[in-house]
Amino acid sequence: GDSVTQTEGQVTVSESKSLIINCTYSATSIGYPNLFWYVRYPGEGLQLLLKVITAGQKGSSRGFEATYNKEATSFHLQKASVQESDSAVYYCALSDLSSGSWQLIFGSGTQLTVMP
Amino acid sequence: DPKIIQKPKYLVAVTGSEKILICEQYLGHNAMYWYRQSAKKPLEFMFSYSYQKLMDNQTASSRFQPQSSKKNHLDLQITALKPDDSATYFCASSQDTMISGNTLYFGEGSRLIVV
Repeated sequence: GDSVTQTEGQVTVSESKSLIINCTYSATSIGYPNLFWYVRYPGEGLQLLLKVITAGQKGSSRGFEATYNKEATSFHLQKASVQESDSAVYYCALSDLSSGSWQLIFGSGTQLTVMP
Repeated sequence: DPKIIQKPKYLVAVTGSEKILICEQYLGHNAMYWYRQSAKKPLEFMFSYSYQKLMDNQTASSRFQPQSSKKNHLDLQITALKPDDSATYFCASSQDTMISGNTLYFGEGSRLIVV
């Protein structure tokens, strides 16, 4: 079945430093899956950060970027300069039609802590 | 204002009892979902509904029964509760289930602890 792997469970970065959160995926459908980053801020529900549905394209939102790399099956999340308010749990996810509907498959999440 | 309302936010239940988790969405969406996140595990898809009809079910146990009385409601009834059912249950909705690039919008979750 489909799967999403986030290797870092926790990441700590100092404010104004750069960030990379790794995400790789495995999809069984014939076509290419849609890829997403969701974020959960403390005390809030999950919300979409960005999505890319075309291989080779880049998505961006709130200073974060992620490029859909079909050769490497990766969708790493990057930010050039993080802020304390970026502290949250970040989830990489994919969806495709392998199950008959576009259901989301999530990674295990990465807790980002930004130190002042 | 939250567009997807889940009730209750926190719930402690006794093993063997039955509980209902409530979900209402005010986004005008046609599809609704339940996901579950147990401790140290990824969010797991449970059910999807479209126009109040079950579209996909990835939950092995019949103890979990979705109930949709209105298009914008999808409650989750859990019977014969077990400690392993302890998790945060997330409700979500989207415009439809069969659209590429389908974006799901999530509620804040209902945290269930079974003792």
